[in-house]
Amino acid sequence: SQKIEQNSEALNIQEGKTATLTCNYTNYSPAYLQWYRQDPGRGPVFLLLIRENEKEKRKERLKVTFDTTLKQSLFHITASQPADSATYLCALYNFNKFYFGSGTKLNVKP
Amino acid sequence: GAGVSQSPSNKVTEKGKDVELRCDPISGHTALYWYRQRLGQGLEFLIYFQGNSAPDKSGLPSDRFSAERTGESVSTLTIQRTQQEDSAVYLCASSLGLAAQGPQYFGPGTRLLVL
Repeated sequence: SQKIEQNSEALNIQEGKTATLTCNYTNYSPAYLQWYRQDPGRGPVFLLLIRENEKEKRKERLKVTFDTTLKQSLFHITASQPADSATYLCALYNFNKFYFGSGTKLNVKP
Repeated sequence: GAGVSQSPSNKVTEKGKDVELRCDPISGHTALYWYRQRLGQGLEFLIYFQGNSAPDKSGLPSDRFSAERTGESVSTLTIQRTQQEDSAVYLCASSLGLAAQGPQYFGPGTRLLVL
């Protein structure tokens, strides 16, 4: 089966800096990899999707990279703001199942 | 239209009772997903439907869990003979088109507490 690993330790950064979150997976590379944001007590909210033939995807202050050789995706938030504080989850699909990482909590301090 | 809705929002039940959780996806979304999230943990995939069919039911934790979808719309997740370990938030999501090829839109979840 597939395993996804995200850093379980919270990431604390200063406002204005770039936050970089890591998602590593084992076994087979998925055709698509997705990133979501989850706030306490709420369902996840979709942020970005990247395909296996795409190296990089951008949306406003967000950037996602996908390296199928390293089996890794990086998620960047530039010019971070306190409102970006949340848990960020990566997700992928393999063999009729969806796998979500346990998420990395980001704390952006003013 | 409106987003994904789930009912009830909270459910408290006694061990051994059956519960039924409902999900109303976004209109027109052909794929529907169920997840379980225990307190402080990540999402655990349970099952997904493409239309009214579930390609793989092996993600369901035990044979006490079942799910169905009708009319390519509403879905119900049923837990029979609930156990305390079933206490969690059950999240439903839907997406347009084929599963995995697009974003999933999540509902607010049903918080289940088994006493």
